[in-house]
Amino acid sequence: NAGVTQTPKFRVLKTGQSMTLLCAQDMNHEYMYWYRQDPGMGLRLIHYSVGEGTTAKGEVPDGYNVSRLKKQNFLLGLESAAPSQTSVYFCASKQGATDTQYFGPGTRLTVL
Amino acid sequence: DQQVKQNSPSLSVQEGRISILNCDYTNSMFDYFLWYKKYPAEGPTFLISISSIKDKNEDGRFTVFLNKSAKHLSLHIVPSQPGDSAVYFCAASAQGAQKLVFGQGTRLTINP
Repeated sequence: NAGVTQTPKFRVLKTGQSMTLLCAQDMNHEYMYWYRQDPGMGLRLIHYSVGEGTTAKGEVPDGYNVSRLKKQNFLLGLESAAPSQTSVYFCASKQGATDTQYFGPGTRLTVL
Repeated sequence: DQQVKQNSPSLSVQEGRISILNCDYTNSMFDYFLWYKKYPAEGPTFLISISSIKDKNEDGRFTVFLNKSAKHLSLHIVPSQPGDSAVYFCAASAQGAQKLVFGQGTRLTINP
């Protein structure tokens, strides 16, 4: 039982490049979330999903897109990376009935 | 507008003493509160939670207090241990809401 996993762990991009971050969970959770963590800002919600095939915007969605084609996977895409997207990205998932979110180990992204 | 605030970016405590981490919120609709702990290069892990129908919840060395009239919660760690050194995030949600709102985090350092 791996819990929540994120791929890749580290990535360096040049401005304008695109990439996709993968989040996978093996707990059969309905809800999945993408956050970014920046110094002094805490965790800010980018996008989330309440079930397979659904997505919704969070607090800071601009510049990101997401897809939830399979229940266990939640993908975060950057179509044209900008230096402001340099951050640590965390994925989380939870059961519908509780508010305890389980987090992945994070992806450190640097955009030059 | 920051709905959940942790006004102390850092806190240093002697081993064996009590650590008190504070969190304030502005949204009166919040009715469920959580504390997460985060070590470097890892994702946040759930620590303890409290519902608005209670004013205290204990779990071993960790106690969370909720003062609804003041819109304030605190996490007490007694006695503090070196392994408690981490960043602590408080988070809040409103009934039926699918999202958590996080504070900025407080870095706790326990000195031997």
